[in-house]
Amino acid sequence: DADVTQTPRNRITKTGKRIMLECSQTKGHDRMYWYRQDPGLGLRLIYYSFDVKDINKGEISDGYSVSRQAQAKFSLSLESAIPNQTALYFCATSDPRAKGGSGANVLTFGAGSRLTVL
Amino acid sequence: DQQVKQNSPSLSVQEGRISILNCDYTNSMFDYFLWYKKYPAEGPTFLISISSIKDKNEDGRFTVFLNKSAKHLSLHIVPSQPGDSAVYFCAASAHNYQLIWGAGTKLIIKP
Repeated sequence: DADVTQTPRNRITKTGKRIMLECSQTKGHDRMYWYRQDPGLGLRLIYYSFDVKDINKGEISDGYSVSRQAQAKFSLSLESAIPNQTALYFCATSDPRAKGGSGANVLTFGAGSRLTVL
Repeated sequence: DQQVKQNSPSLSVQEGRISILNCDYTNSMFDYFLWYKKYPAEGPTFLISISSIKDKNEDGRFTVFLNKSAKHLSLHIVPSQPGDSAVYFCAASAHNYQLIWGAGTKLIIKP
């Protein structure tokens, strides 16, 4: 099983619908993140959580909300989906105590959830 | 304003030769730089990183070079193998705070 699991992997929905993307992890990491990837752009941070009681907005949080139900679960919601939220969404986790050889904080990603809003 | 730029959307290299992927940044506060590799239908996976106190870090076939004065880093893959065909993302952070990502370079290794 994957360390970071995202569901659904693909979703097509209509404008105005509420959508939830779910993420669960078995790595035991405290930190979890939601990113969005658009063609020609790098990943952009939507929300992040350093523990169950800590939720922080990222670079592009407007139109999104999150819930950290447990250490292992972090869900992303689009309350009223719009076409420009069509994108590939990634969940990631990290452990600040387990850095890459350089000391950098290394993220582990899920396989992604492709969302299309018509 | 893109703080991390990968100006080559794609790169084609012969198998066995060297692949060089480039990344430029504008924020002098960045002190950690990472490279991630992404295959289709998968999430990015960590490849190699470097801190700003170094100018080179090597891991097997992969070497990252950092030129702080030019605000430029590069990833060298030697020798290139077919399994290296993927999209490579450069990312940077200041004090391990939020990662800022480049748009990615698609590397194609030709047999």
